[in-house]
Amino acid sequence: DVKVTQSSRYLVKRTGEKVFLECVQDMDHENMFWYRQDPGLGLRLIYFSYDVKMKEKGDIPEGYSVSREKKERFSLILESASTNQTSMYLCASRLQRGGWTYEQYFGPGTRLTVT
Amino acid sequence: GQQLNQSPQSMFIQEGEDVSMNCTSSSIFNTWLWYKQDPGEGPVLLIALYKAGELTSNGRLTAQFGITRKDSFLNISASIPSDVGIYFCAGNEETSYDKVIFGPGTSLSVIP
Repeated sequence: DVKVTQSSRYLVKRTGEKVFLECVQDMDHENMFWYRQDPGLGLRLIYFSYDVKMKEKGDIPEGYSVSREKKERFSLILESASTNQTSMYLCASRLQRGGWTYEQYFGPGTRLTVT
Repeated sequence: GQQLNQSPQSMFIQEGEDVSMNCTSSSIFNTWLWYKQDPGEGPVLLIALYKAGELTSNGRLTAQFGITRKDSFLNISASIPSDVGIYFCAGNEETSYDKVIFGPGTSLSVIP
């Protein structure tokens, strides 16, 4: 079974703090993703990564950065947390082979509250 | 950008009833995915579909990849209380295999 784990289930941070959210997958997937999920707005893509050291902006990258130094790990960084970044953050990974992409698997989510 | 339409938006059903929900797009998709999300948890993959007309089952769940490649259906037979949650469809457009498009979800409530 594919397993995607996220470093924290719940996190409370203060405005202006630097926040790191970590995601690890154990299935050697090439692609990894970070989403945020807010009531009424659905899942919105923040960043994704095709492979190690590669990153692409998603729909809402402002205020975020990412790092992928190892294939199994994809980190989301909030350089200076703000209250409007309070949300549920979801990591996902996906196999990519021969020009075809397969299904995404999600982690359990991190509920981040910025006060 | 591309959006998926899911219907119904919400459902309230009696335990034991069958459930049907669907997802439509304005463009052709080459992959359809169905997820279930419980409150406070990440979405869990239920079924993945890769060919037009494909019909796939996972226990009491059955999903189909529409032959027009612009829709997909999910059926749940003999619903039970643990079926409660939000069901999302998702997929990859034919012209853009990188990005996964998600539907807004169908909220299912099961009355014991």
